[in-house]
Amino acid sequence: GAGVSQSPRYKVAKRGQDVALRCDPISGHVSLFWYQQALGQGPEFLTYFQNEAQLDKSGLPSDRFFAERPEGSVSTLKIQRTQQEDSAVYLCASSLAQQGNSPLHFGNGTRLTVT
Amino acid sequence: AQSVTQLGSHVSVSEGALVLLRCNYSSSVPPYLFWYVQYPNQGLQLLLKYTTGATLVKGINGFEAEFKKSETSFHLTKPSAHMSDAAEYFCAVSDPRGGGRRALTFGSGTRLQVQP
Repeated sequence: GAGVSQSPRYKVAKRGQDVALRCDPISGHVSLFWYQQALGQGPEFLTYFQNEAQLDKSGLPSDRFFAERPEGSVSTLKIQRTQQEDSAVYLCASSLAQQGNSPLHFGNGTRLTVT
Repeated sequence: AQSVTQLGSHVSVSEGALVLLRCNYSSSVPPYLFWYVQYPNQGLQLLLKYTTGATLVKGINGFEAEFKKSETSFHLTKPSAHMSDAAEYFCAVSDPRGGGRRALTFGSGTRLQVQP
């Protein structure tokens, strides 16, 4: 595809529900990142994959958050027992390489609202 | 560890006026620096980046930024604002070793308004 694709674009969940957010990176991109963007804030790092390996999950705010990329392409971010503070835009980004000068390509995000 | 400070959460300019968005960084290693733009309900789009070499970097849409090591700054400028420049702008710093949390650390953003 032409860019990073995320689905759904919008998700409304009742507190306590589980949600799954999907990211289709650019084909061939080795690195994949998840970021959380609260209203009026910059994106905050959640987790990082290099191919199928999750190399850094230090940004995940709690053990309710879980991410996977089993075949090194599509990734899913799962949030269990959602809380109101989980309301945010979740951005996925991919890059061709792991070096710091390899620019990140972002999807349009999934806006999660927990009621 | 690395961090980014963007001075001014909101900047308003008149159409045709100079745009100046400020960014200062802190990094334990010589960083790579980026500016991204975000339009409403969209993801972030790369405007420009500094990695090595010339400290004045030109990007898309007429924007440019200058890396000043002595001032730990990477301010974004555009000589003449367009209505279409109205958006949220994010400065970001990256560890050259890349990967994980080191890949990109963002500032809190500056919302640019352009008045007709």
